[in-house]
Amino acid sequence: DAKTTQPNSMESNEEEPVHLPCNHSTISGTDYIHWYRQLPSQGPEYVIHGLTSNVNNRMASLAIAEDRKSSTLILHRATLRDAAVYYCTYAGTASKLTFGTGTRLQVTL
Amino acid sequence: NAGVTQTPKFQVLKTGQSMTLQCAQDMNHNSMYWYRQDPGMGLRLIYYSASEGTTDKGEVPNGYNVSRLNKREFSLRLESAAPSQTSVYFCASFGQGRGAQYFGPGTRLTVL
Repeated sequence: DAKTTQPNSMESNEEEPVHLPCNHSTISGTDYIHWYRQLPSQGPEYVIHGLTSNVNNRMASLAIAEDRKSSTLILHRATLRDAAVYYCTYAGTASKLTFGTGTRLQVTL
Repeated sequence: NAGVTQTPKFQVLKTGQSMTLQCAQDMNHNSMYWYRQDPGMGLRLIYYSASEGTTDKGEVPNGYNVSRLNKREFSLRLESAAPSQTSVYFCASFGQGRGAQYFGPGTRLTVL
């Protein structure tokens, strides 16, 4: 199972950038880093994933450390709708994911 | 394109009762999953089906059975519900295209 370490909670002001860290020191060379988020009373949803290079999509950016033992999910301008629990995990394929307790992000006006 | 749908959304059972949670996906995905999420916890895998006709146990399979009825549908059955099975149950499917799991909205189950 993937062993990741994330802060239990973080706070951000609306329209400011948010950097959500994750440590995954036991990751293997072929594992992808995956990020999901879970909005209140909803199922988890895919955010982004990457292997080695930094990745961008319409939701977020993923910055991966050179040694791949950590990564950071970046929300460029947090909105109230981004308040959720963010899960970081890794696996060779998204067909086999394990989810820890994640980081609860609070966004305030 | 509805994605992953689950029924029912809410259910209350008495100890010892049985019920089946239904899940369907319309994305032509091969793999489907059942997870449970207890308050303040992450998701734990109950059972999964890598393809039509196959099922495998996950982390917490005791007290549950599953059926992969066809490629679209994957059901979870509680034969004799116990209070420890009070949880939110999520179904998910996986497709190679975007390399992501897609989750349903969940079923909130309370066992009294």
